[in-house]
Order: sequence, then structure tokens, then C-alpha cells
Amino acid sequence: DIVMTQSPDSLAVSLGERATINCRSSQSLFYSSNNKNYLAWYQLKPGQPPKLLFSWASTRDFGVPDRFSASGSGTDFTLTISSLQAEDVAIYFCQQYFTTPRYTFGQGTKLEI
Amino acid sequence: EVHLVDSGGALVQPGRSLRLSCAASGFRFGGYAMNWVRQAPGKGLEWVSSISGSGNNTYYAVSVKGRFTISRDNSKNTMYLQMSSLRAEDTAKYYCARSQGDAWLVDYWGQGTLVTVSS
Repeated sequence: DIVMTQSPDSLAVSLGERATINCRSSQSLFYSSNNKNYLAWYQLKPGQPPKLLFSWASTRDFGVPDRFSASGSGTDFTLTISSLQAEDVAIYFCQQYFTTPRYTFGQGTKLEI
Repeated sequence: EVHLVDSGGALVQPGRSLRLSCAASGFRFGGYAMNWVRQAPGKGLEWVSSISGSGNNTYYAVSVKGRFTISRDNSKNTMYLQMSSLRAEDTAKYYCARSQGDAWLVDYWGQGTLVTVSS
């Protein structure tokens, strides 16, 4: 199985400041035949279903604020919130779908104010 | 609007069975693969099982293979997870989730249903 490791496990950032979450996979998620990285980011808030933020490592899903950005390729990926808002408090997960449907997830990063 | 409603979670004794349901609306259900993903207390997300849109292809995590059965009724827009020989380690919030495209990207999730296995 591909192991996904996020860092840090938790993060406290002041309102308006930048938050950065890292995700590393145990093997490359890049598929050369289509030039895509099979990596997604999700946001999980209490009492709500997980929400897809990014697919293909950096493609923002519809309705996701542009203060959220994602980047990376191969085995190293990053989710960045440029200016933290109160509503961004959540747990963030990365997920690989390179071995779909045998998905694996990072352990999650808890983001607090 | 895509809507997934998970249900069926309960407190059950070890060794017993339970069936979860996922009712879908807002999209052509039979055209999408579906999944179950769980989150044990204090743990991360764990993929459990997936089923193709037709229902002809099913996939299971090693931890549940032989004990859980995924199925779907496209005429009822509903997916199921039949869980048997439940163990304490199956205690988790179970989410149903939709996959799209050839890569089966998981794009929509239900709100989850809680399964507690305890005597």
C-alpha cells in the first residue's frame, strides 16, 4: 500500500496568516502517460461530510475560495491557505488515488486558530 | 445537487451483523462508482470498500474482506454495506462517498453513520 504522511499533525495559525500543510507519499503519484498526479485534498469539519478541495494535486474544486492553493508532484505535496479565516478551522486530509480504488489517506492535520 | 445520506449505524455486540445504507440523489446513480470509507475514533480515514456503477465489480480492504459485502440497487439509488462478524476494531464513523471519472476520484461524501462494536 502507498503510505501517506502528513505534517504537521496539528497547526495553530493566527487569523489572516498563512497556513501550510505537507503531504508525502511513499511512492510517486505521478502518472507519466497523462502527466497527472493522483492526489486529492479534503477538508473535514465537525458534523459535516468531508469536502473535496483539490484534485490532481492542484486543481481547485468548484466553490473553493482562492485563498486555498495546492501544489506538488511525485511524492511531495502542499496545501496552503494564504490568509486564514475562522471558517477554515478543520482537519485536512490528503489522499492518493493512484491505486484507485484502494485509496489511502494521510493521518490528517488539525488546523486551529 | 448531489446528496448522500448514510444510515444504519448502531451499537452492536462483537460477532453480530449490521447493514449500512447510503441513499443517493441529485445525480444518475448508476453512472458512478461508490465507496465506503471509515474513520475510527481518533484515527485517520480508512478506505473500506468500493463498487462499480453497474455493481459488477467490487473491492475490499484486507481488514474487512470476507466479512463485509458491498452492494447496490440502482433502481433505488441506494448502496449497502453488509457487515458481519463485527469486531471492536470496526468501531468507526462510516461514510459513503461517490467516485467520478476513470480515476474514481472521490468527490462527494455523506455525513457518516456511527458503528460501535462493544459488548
